[in-house]
Amino acid sequence: QSALTQPASVSGSPGQSITISCTGSSGDFGGYKYVSWYQQHPGKAPKLIIHDVSDRPSGVSNRFSGSKSGNTASLTISGLQTEDEADYYCSTYTTSSTLFGGGTKLTVL
Amino acid sequence: EVQLVESGGGLVQPGGSLRLSCSASGFTFTSYAMSWVRQAPGKGLEWVSTSSGSGGITYYADSVKGRFTISRDSSKNMVYLQMNSLRAEDTAVYYCARALRQWLVFDYFDYWGQGTLVTVSS
Repeated sequence: QSALTQPASVSGSPGQSITISCTGSSGDFGGYKYVSWYQQHPGKAPKLIIHDVSDRPSGVSNRFSGSKSGNTASLTISGLQTEDEADYYCSTYTTSSTLFGGGTKLTVL
Repeated sequence: EVQLVESGGGLVQPGGSLRLSCSASGFTFTSYAMSWVRQAPGKGLEWVSTSSGSGGITYYADSVKGRFTISRDSSKNMVYLQMNSLRAEDTAVYYCARALRQWLVFDYFDYWGQGTLVTVSS
């Protein structure tokens, strides 16, 4: 599997919206909906916030939304809050492995 | 309540071995695939290994294939990662993680442990 490419950092102000992209080869995303996003605060374990491209697990704020177009998946966070400041990872899987993007550090200014 | 608790991390010399353990509770253990994911200091997440619910199917990242072995004991609700021939680049926090849905071998990870730090250094 090749890499999933994410921007190293993004920033936004409270109340704004930001989008984090995740680009892979066609083989990575395989034409299927196997895309997820994880949020990780410093010193904490990752937390699943989006799966199957756009589904939110129970308890995750609807300010988080996901989408996919071609080989690029995107995570949008609307109404930015200070607690959204964290690292975000996209991920996909095949029948034999799981792949993570390099991660994006979100700074809420 | 689902809980995953890792243990067994520590300092080990290059070429040495270590066994990590993950104690699982709060769900039907044999119904869910379990995985290990690691994170080197200041770096991103890296998938390491996955075991099916029965333990009969296992997968490994190329970086650890032949050196690491994942196993599980359903009588104790435990998952293990036996790590041999350790290298400096294996230094990381190792997380145990559960698959989101029952019966799938590969899936998203909905529950994670707190992680255990492995340091490979002389």
